[in-house]
Amino acid sequence: GEDVEQSLFLSVREGDSSVINCTYTDSSSTYLYWYKQEPGAGLQLLTYIFSNMDMKQDQRLTVLLNKKDKHLSLRIADTQTGDSAIYFCAERENYGQNFVFGPGTRLSVLP
Amino acid sequence: GAGVSQSPSNKVTEKGKDVELRCDPISGHTALYWYRQSLGQGLEFLIYFQGNSAPDKSGLPSDRFSAERTGGSVSTLTIQRTQQEDSAVYLCASSLPSGDSGANVLTFGAGSRLTVL
Repeated sequence: GEDVEQSLFLSVREGDSSVINCTYTDSSSTYLYWYKQEPGAGLQLLTYIFSNMDMKQDQRLTVLLNKKDKHLSLRIADTQTGDSAIYFCAERENYGQNFVFGPGTRLSVLP
Repeated sequence: GAGVSQSPSNKVTEKGKDVELRCDPISGHTALYWYRQSLGQGLEFLIYFQGNSAPDKSGLPSDRFSAERTGGSVSTLTIQRTQQEDSAVYLCASSLPSGDSGANVLTFGAGSRLTVL
C-alpha cells in the first residue's frame, strides 16, 4: 500500500531556515499537503501542491516537489518559536478519497 | 458551522465501558473522516464517509469500533467495551466531495482525547 515517510525530529535555531523532508511511494498522487499540529489541537492545513508543479511559495513557506524521486520538502524561512509544532506530510491518491499521512516531524525551535 | 466541531473534547472512562464520540462537520462537506492519533504517533485512518455511506471501513481496528453518519452531517464513533489501548486522540475531518478536481483539503476538528483507565 501507499506509504509516506518523514524524519521524526528536527531542531533549529530561531531565525534559521527549517527544511522538513517527506518521501512517498504512490506515483499516482495528485495532491500533496503539509499540515501543522500545535499541542492539544487538530491539524491545520499549511499548504498543498499539485503534482504537476515543482515549487510553490507562500510567504515564509516554500514547498519543493521532486516527482521523479517522490520527494517533498517544506522550507520555513526565518523560523520562529511559534513554528514549533508537528508537521505532517500527506498525499492524496489519484483524485480518490484516500489521504495517507506521514508520521509527522516534530520541529523544535531553540532561542 | 464555521469549523469541524468534536465532542467531548476530553473523555475519561473505565475499561469495559462504551463511549460515543461526536463529529459535526463543516456544512456542505459531504466527505467525513475519522483518524486516531496515539501518543507521539502519526494518524491512523479509521473510516471514511461519503454522505451517509461508508465506502471504506478498512481502518476500524476491531469489531468493538463502529461509526455512523446521519443526514449527511453529524457522525458518531462508538467504541464498545473500551480497552486501555483505545486511549488516544480521535480526530475527525471533513472535505468537499471526493473526485472533485480540486485539492479537497481536509479540515480537522480539535479532537476528542479518550483516556481508558
